[in-house]
Amino acid sequence: AQKITQTQPGMFVQEKEAVTLDCTYDTSDQSYGLFWYKQPSSGEMIFLIYQGSYDEQNATEGRYSLNFQKARKSANLVISASQLGDSAMYFCAMREGQGSGYSTLTFGKGTMLLVSP
Amino acid sequence: EPEVTQTPSHQVTQMGQEVILRCVPISNHLYFYWYRQILGQKVEFLVSFYNNEISEKSEIFDDQFSVERPDGSNFTLKIRSTKLEDSAMYFCASSERSALTYNSPLHFGNGTRLTVT
Repeated sequence: AQKITQTQPGMFVQEKEAVTLDCTYDTSDQSYGLFWYKQPSSGEMIFLIYQGSYDEQNATEGRYSLNFQKARKSANLVISASQLGDSAMYFCAMREGQGSGYSTLTFGKGTMLLVSP
Repeated sequence: EPEVTQTPSHQVTQMGQEVILRCVPISNHLYFYWYRQILGQKVEFLVSFYNNEISEKSEIFDDQFSVERPDGSNFTLKIRSTKLEDSAMYFCASSERSALTYNSPLHFGNGTRLTVT
C-alpha cells in the first residue's frame, strides 16, 4: 500500500484565491511527522511546513497551513491568497518515528499547482 | 539562511563511466541523505548516513553506489558504472536531528541532474 497518497495530479487556481492540496497517509506508528515540500520548475526542493502526529493544533507558516485530520489520516496543505510564484509541484512526505533510528522521508507523487492571473 | 549546496548542477556522462556527485550539508547538521527523482516521477530515498556510516539504504542503493564523507564538510555519492536508468535528479539533504525527533525537517540542495548517454 502507498504510504503517501496525493490524488490530485494537477490543480488550477486563480491568483489571490485559496487552494487545498490533498494528502492522505498510511502508517501504524504512533509517532510520525508530515511535511510539505515545494518544487518549482528550477528543480530545488523547498521545505514549507511540518505537522507532528501529537500536535493538537494545525501547523501554520505564513500563507501555508496544514489541515491535519488524524482520524482520517489526512494532512492537506492550504495555501491562502495564491500568488503566481506558487506555481510549482507540491510533495507531501512522511517521516515515521519508530523502528530504526534514522528513518527517511517517504514522498507522495506530487500535485502540480498552476496559478493563473 | 544556511543551505545545502550541490555540485555540479548538471552532469553528463557516458554509460559505464564513474561519476561523483558532491554535496556540502548545512554545517551543524549531523544526518545526511541522498534521494533521487527520475524525470516526472516521485522522489525516492537512496541512503542515509550518520556518524561516518550508512544508517539506512533502499533497494535502489546497490553495489554500484557508495557514499563517503571524505572531510568535515563534503558528502559524496559515487556511482561506479553508470547505466542509462541512472539518469535522474539527485538530491542531497541534511537534517539537524535524527528521526527519533521526527519533526526535524530534511533540507534539500538544489540537486544535480545526471544524464547518462
